Amino acid sequence: GAGVSQSPRYKVAKRGQDVALRCDPISGHVSLFWYQQALGQGPEFLTYFQNEAQLDKSGLPSDRFFAERPEGSVSTLKIQRTQQEDSAVYLCASSFVGETEAFFGQGTRLTVV
Amino acid sequence: EDQVTQSPEALRLQEGESSSLNCSYTVSGLRGLFWYRQDPGKGPEFLFTLYSAGEEKEKERLKATLTKKESFLHITAPKPEDSATYLCAIQGGSEKLVFGKGTKLTVNP
Repeated sequence: GAGVSQSPRYKVAKRGQDVALRCDPISGHVSLFWYQQALGQGPEFLTYFQNEAQLDKSGLPSDRFFAERPEGSVSTLKIQRTQQEDSAVYLCASSFVGETEAFFGQGTRLTVV
Repeated sequence: EDQVTQSPEALRLQEGESSSLNCSYTVSGLRGLFWYRQDPGKGPEFLFTLYSAGEEKEKERLKATLTKKESFLHITAPKPEDSATYLCAIQGGSEKLVFGKGTKLTVNP
């Protein structure tokens, strides 16, 4: 596709439910990032992949958060046993290796009720 | 720890009234400073990357500059369509970007 695609755009989850958020990066982009953006705040780093390798997961807030990119293309961010504080927009970005310009998707707005 | 502080938090301008947004940062070894524009309900849209002090980049009514401690985004003769939140981010010793909270710009016609 022409840009980074994220699905679903909106997700409402009951507290305690598991959710999975999908990111389709730009074709050929080796680097993939996940960020979390709370209302009125800037994006905060969660994790980084280069191809299928997860090279940095230092931003994942707890062991309830898990990300994967098994074939080096599509990535999934999974949140287990969701809590209200998980409510945020989850942004995915991709880029070529060595290029600093990262392209962001539209994000998935997660609301935990 | 890498940090970014943006000011002001919000700015209201009249159409044609030029101004500047500030981004101050602390980082060990700056690899790049980034400006993004974010419209409501959308992801950040890339504007500029600056790599070293003294560097400047321009795009339409926007001009970004960089010193060793801060960056400015100058907006000349803004139009209502320039209304958005402008995000500043830095890249230091790792691949991740560290963002500020953003400046919400409103340009009134």
